[in-house]
Amino acid sequence: DAMVIQNPRYQVTQFGKPVTLSCSQTLNHNVMYWYQQKSSQAPKLLFHYYDKDFNNEADTPDNFQSRRPNTSFCFLDIRSPGLGDAAMYLCATSRGQVQGADTQYFGPGTRLTVL
Amino acid sequence: AQSVTQLDSQVPVFEEAPVELRCNYSSSVSVYLFWYVQYPNQGLQLLLKYLSGSTLVKGINGFEAEFNKSQTSFHLRKPSVHISDTAEYFCAVRPANTGNQFYFGTGTSLTVIP
Repeated sequence: DAMVIQNPRYQVTQFGKPVTLSCSQTLNHNVMYWYQQKSSQAPKLLFHYYDKDFNNEADTPDNFQSRRPNTSFCFLDIRSPGLGDAAMYLCATSRGQVQGADTQYFGPGTRLTVL
Repeated sequence: AQSVTQLDSQVPVFEEAPVELRCNYSSSVSVYLFWYVQYPNQGLQLLLKYLSGSTLVKGINGFEAEFNKSQTSFHLRKPSVHISDTAEYFCAVRPANTGNQFYFGTGTSLTVIP
């Protein structure tokens, strides 16, 4: 089945130690998104890629970076995780139909713990 | 600018009772509307979506929603809930013709009581 895959499902890192979360998709979608979701809150968009075009949200901290080496994969790099970065990180994809109806499909998420 | 309001942060309901989760939006352009469900420690799963056509949309797990343009609402309903419906529900909008962004409400926690 076509899907959005996130690895690992649970990640523990130390304060200040760089960490990378990965996302892959078999949907061949143009757009890939990264969201941060803290407990009992809505997902907060960090950034998204339309193909190789990177779109950063204005309030996304510089500590968060992303890479998309090809259509299928997208990575979230947290350069120096702080305690406040502990959250669920959700990857999503969509076709990117600006003129038409578009739908997001989510991966299962990666729960990040910062010690 | 777009915004999505989910008026109820928590909704407790007894098993087999009906439920309505409310969603209102604000947008200067036409929108597409979505409901997602999130079970603990999982990603968001699409329940249903309104793109065009009939304003009553049926989704998975027996849920349905009705788009009301005049009231800018997209309320989610189920006539008889099950214990397994206990989860967080998010309403989202995507403005038409304005890029790839989706805007989420703050979520409603549905608890089904046996």
